[in-house]
Amino acid sequence: GAVVSQHPSRVICKSGTSVKIECRSLDFQATTMFWYRQFPKQSLMLMATSNEGSKATYEQGVEKDKFLINHASLTLSTLTVTSAHPEDSSFYICSAPGGTTNQPQHFGDGTRLSIL
Amino acid sequence: QKEVEQNSGPLSVPEGAIASLNCTYSDRGSQSFFWYRQYSGKSPELIMSIYSNGDKEDGRFTAQLNKASQYVSLLIRDSQPSDSATYLCAVIASGGSNYKLTFGKGTLLTVNP
Repeated sequence: GAVVSQHPSRVICKSGTSVKIECRSLDFQATTMFWYRQFPKQSLMLMATSNEGSKATYEQGVEKDKFLINHASLTLSTLTVTSAHPEDSSFYICSAPGGTTNQPQHFGDGTRLSIL
Repeated sequence: QKEVEQNSGPLSVPEGAIASLNCTYSDRGSQSFFWYRQYSGKSPELIMSIYSNGDKEDGRFTAQLNKASQYVSLLIRDSQPSDSATYLCAVIASGGSNYKLTFGKGTLLTVNP
């Protein structure tokens, strides 16, 4: 079945560092990908919709200059957390639709980001 | 605002029992409904998808959809300790991006040996 690969799985870095997370669709093309953030014991919160060939669509309250999204190709979307601070520590997960518009999304394994 | 509501639990059942998880949604035009299972520290994995009113069975799992009542449920038969996880109800609402999922907050299920 469709597989989404997310890398890295874990990042620990100092405050002020920028961190890039990659999300790849391995056996299908994804013109749209989604980025979520999940804090402990809370549900997934959609941060933004990544669109191949155009600007990402951010959810209300998400800083677009803080969370840079680039959808460089039909199989790759990246999320860069710029100048990360401890409050950005979270579990970041990407997903991609598997096919037609009502099909379920396939999730990457997630990236655990810890900012010291 | 399009919302998906779940009882946060925790729901605790003995091994071998039936676990019943419930979800309601606010957007009457919603067409696609999903149940995801999420183990602690892991990303969600798809358990069931359902698109039409009625029941859909897959092994020990049965999804039930009632669009008139805006209600979707998941039954887990012969519950096992390995089923202990958070179960997320997700809906693709009408309008806007047809791919965009709206998640409930999840129900924590514990199956006791």
